Amino acid sequence: EVLLVQSSAEVKKPGDSLKISCKASGYSFSTYWIGWVRQMPGKGLEWMGILYPDDSDIKYSPSFQGQVTISADKSTSTAFLQWSSLKASDTGLYFCARTSASQYPDYWGQGTQVIVSS
Amino acid sequence: DIQMTQSPSTLSASVGDRVTITCRASQSISKWLAWLQQKPGKAPKLLIYKASNLQAGVPSRFSGSGSGTEFTLTISSLQPDDFATYYCQQYSSKPYSFGQGTKLEI
Repeated sequence: EVLLVQSSAEVKKPGDSLKISCKASGYSFSTYWIGWVRQMPGKGLEWMGILYPDDSDIKYSPSFQGQVTISADKSTSTAFLQWSSLKASDTGLYFCARTSASQYPDYWGQGTQVIVSS
Repeated sequence: DIQMTQSPSTLSASVGDRVTITCRASQSISKWLAWLQQKPGKAPKLLIYKASNLQAGVPSRFSGSGSGTEFTLTISSLQPDDFATYYCQQYSSKPYSFGQGTKLEI
């Protein structure tokens, strides 16, 4: 069974750094793209970027390029989303999603709530 | 980048109704389109991929059609569990992008 289990909710202050995780199981982690999606409060889904763990090829949405860092650890089958300096506007629900061989998002994590507030 | 536009933004319907949601792409995406369902506070769920292929386990009352720039999601007979928000997503070219969502409400 394919499972993506994300890290717990975080409450941070502006300027803090943060790294959230998405642990995969039930499939060959290295050979499927895995992506991140943001959902701001009361808003729709936004595609942030995607990574291929086998060679660490990463594609960012222009809206998120330079704002976040996507990475992965093949040894633990875990993908990460990282901020170096959080802003209040980073508040939202973040999902990881496995991308099928044909590139559609077939399995999703449960989401990680990030709240950035002074 | 490819822009995805859904209509309507909100749709009021009743149990048993047939409903259709439309998604338009700013350029041709062939059939590289997925439809997802999301309930409040939950992860999206894949319903349809490649415009018209039903994901395993999804009820047959859901169907998708279209190609190029215009696509539709149809629910043939609404059930109480179907009241949710629906998103289309293109995966023809990166950055992959979502429509703004259609909220289906009673």
